[in-house]
Amino acid sequence: GENVEQHPSTLSVQEGDSAVIKCTYSDSASNYFPWYKQELGKGPQLIIDIRSNVGEKKDQRIAVTLNKTAKHFSLHITETQPEDSAVYFCAAPPGSARQLTFGSGTQLTVLP
Amino acid sequence: DAGVTQSPTHLIKTRGQQVTLRCSPKSGHDTVSWYQQALGQGPQFIFQYYEEEERQRGNFPDRFSGHQFPNYSSELNVNALLLGDSALYLCASSLSGGDQPQHFGDGTRLSIL
Repeated sequence: GENVEQHPSTLSVQEGDSAVIKCTYSDSASNYFPWYKQELGKGPQLIIDIRSNVGEKKDQRIAVTLNKTAKHFSLHITETQPEDSAVYFCAAPPGSARQLTFGSGTQLTVLP
Repeated sequence: DAGVTQSPTHLIKTRGQQVTLRCSPKSGHDTVSWYQQALGQGPQFIFQYYEEEERQRGNFPDRFSGHQFPNYSSELNVNALLLGDSALYLCASSLSGGDQPQHFGDGTRLSIL
């Protein structure tokens, strides 16, 4: 099955700086890679996703890059704000399966 | 446009009891997946329902069962509750095609005493 590893587990940045979270996956057949943001007491919120036919996708201050050869993908948040503080999860489906295998999460803290 | 809604938000049970959790998918979605999230961990896939049938199942025992209704809403049932079943139970809905984004509800926090 799919194995998704996520680093770092915690990340603190100053407001306005950039944050980068990295994930690796094991199943070379995986072709869809979502990122979720989970705030305290809430469910995971889909913030951006990427499919294997593109290498990068941007949505305002958030971007995701994908390297299929190396089997890793990364989340980039620029100009961080205190409201970006949350736990972020990467995920990937094993092969063509419809379920998601999640990473272990990154607690991002943006310091004012 | 209502998102995914789950009920109840919190539940306390004792060992050996049975529990039913409910989920209404986002409008227009026909597929429902259930996940278990232990404290400090990522969600783990339990199973997925489409056209009222279990389409895929994760590594969970038969004590975990589910149902999907004609209106696409879903229930998760857990029998013979164990202390280790304490977790946040998340429902996600999506369209039925491959690689469709899954949208999550805020979950049901289940505590087993």
